[in-house]
Amino acid sequence: GAGVSQSPRYKVAKRGQDVALRCDPISGHVSLFWYQQALGQGPEFLTYFQNEAQLDKSGLPSDRFFAERPEGSVSTLKIQRTQQEDSAVYLCASSLRPMESSGNTIYFGEGSWLTVV
Amino acid sequence: GNSVTQMEGPVTLSEEAFLTINCTYTATGYPSLFWYVQYPGEGLQLLLKATKADDKGSNKGFEATYRKETTSFHLEKGSVQVSDSAVYFCALSVGVDSSYKLIFGSGTRLLVRP
Repeated sequence: GAGVSQSPRYKVAKRGQDVALRCDPISGHVSLFWYQQALGQGPEFLTYFQNEAQLDKSGLPSDRFFAERPEGSVSTLKIQRTQQEDSAVYLCASSLRPMESSGNTIYFGEGSWLTVV
Repeated sequence: GNSVTQMEGPVTLSEEAFLTINCTYTATGYPSLFWYVQYPGEGLQLLLKATKADDKGSNKGFEATYRKETTSFHLEKGSVQVSDSAVYFCALSVGVDSSYKLIFGSGTRLLVRP
């Protein structure tokens, strides 16, 4: 597709339920990121992939959060046993080259809005 | 630690007014600075960036100058349009090894009235 695509766009989960959020990056993009954006706040870094390798997961808030990108393209962010504080917009972004390259532009998707009730 | 502070919104202006959105930062080392914009129903888009002190980023009539002495990166536009209505985020990244980690401010909503 032309841009970063995320699904579902909106998800309502009951507390304790597991959820999976999907990201389709721009075709051929090496770098992929997940960010979490709470209401009224700026996005916060969660994790970074270079191809299928998860190079940084330091932003994942707890061990209930897990991300994967097994074939170096589509990525899934999984949240187990959701809690109310997990309610946020989850943004996926991708970039053509590894982030060590200069002049790299990061393209963001529209986000998946998660509400935990 | 590294952080970004930007002015709270909403900022409401009439068309053709002058815009300033303030952004200041705290960083260890020498950050790169960015402005992102989020139009209604769309994803975040890079608006402009500056990678070293005194650099000026510009795009679509918007400008921001990297001021190391005041640790600021204020966004300006001489004449806003209704189509500029959006949420604007100031952000930084620090270091080669963590240049992918963008640290964002909380965003400033701009509403431009005809």
